[in-house]
Amino acid sequence: DTAVSQTPKYLVTQMGNDKSIKCEQNLGHDTMYWYKQDSKKFLKIMFSYNNKELIINETVPNRFSPKSPDKAHLNLHINSLELGDSAVYFCASRGNRGYGYTFGSGTRLTVV
Amino acid sequence: GESVGLHLPTLSVQEGDNSIINCAYSNSASDYFIWYKQESGKGPQFIIDIRSNMDKRQGQRVTVLLNKTVKHLSLQIAATQPGDSAVYFCAENTHGGGNKLTFGTGTQLKVEL
Repeated sequence: DTAVSQTPKYLVTQMGNDKSIKCEQNLGHDTMYWYKQDSKKFLKIMFSYNNKELIINETVPNRFSPKSPDKAHLNLHINSLELGDSAVYFCASRGNRGYGYTFGSGTRLTVV
Repeated sequence: GESVGLHLPTLSVQEGDNSIINCAYSNSASDYFIWYKQESGKGPQFIIDIRSNMDKRQGQRVTVLLNKTVKHLSLQIAATQPGDSAVYFCAENTHGGGNKLTFGTGTQLKVEL
């Protein structure tokens, strides 16, 4: 069983479109995250939710809207996609014991 | 071999040699540090962690050293194998508004046969 699963794995879309990425974890963790990895492999945190409550929002454009229907799911909706949004987006989760994260395998978003 | 860098540097080592990957972290209040390995097309994978009250921790073939005086972290991999080829990231945990892992820029490790 995949611990943190993201869909889709690849997403190619045109500028101006709206798209969503879904994430689910079966680890029973309370905290979930979205990270963005750019073309230079730099990983930057975007959002964090703890038990459906937003706790971290790192100066991300408001075109990005996370939604957590329950603590096992954290989705990312992006409006009016721009070329600069092209990146790999990683979902991660963390349990209450320790600080290690478990990452999903990523969603490669390409905006053309 | 060793590597230090602000951009994504590449460290090339011969199979069987030891590898040392270095990282400078930014926040003196960070209390926990993790090394992650990222293979091509995959998400980062936990390797080893260390708390700020320790200066060394060993795992299977890997050792992490922490020097808080100069805010430096290193990952040593013994007897490097082809399967160790990946990008390695250090990450520091900070509090304040929620626990947050901040990642370093990463080092590409290439193992030559």
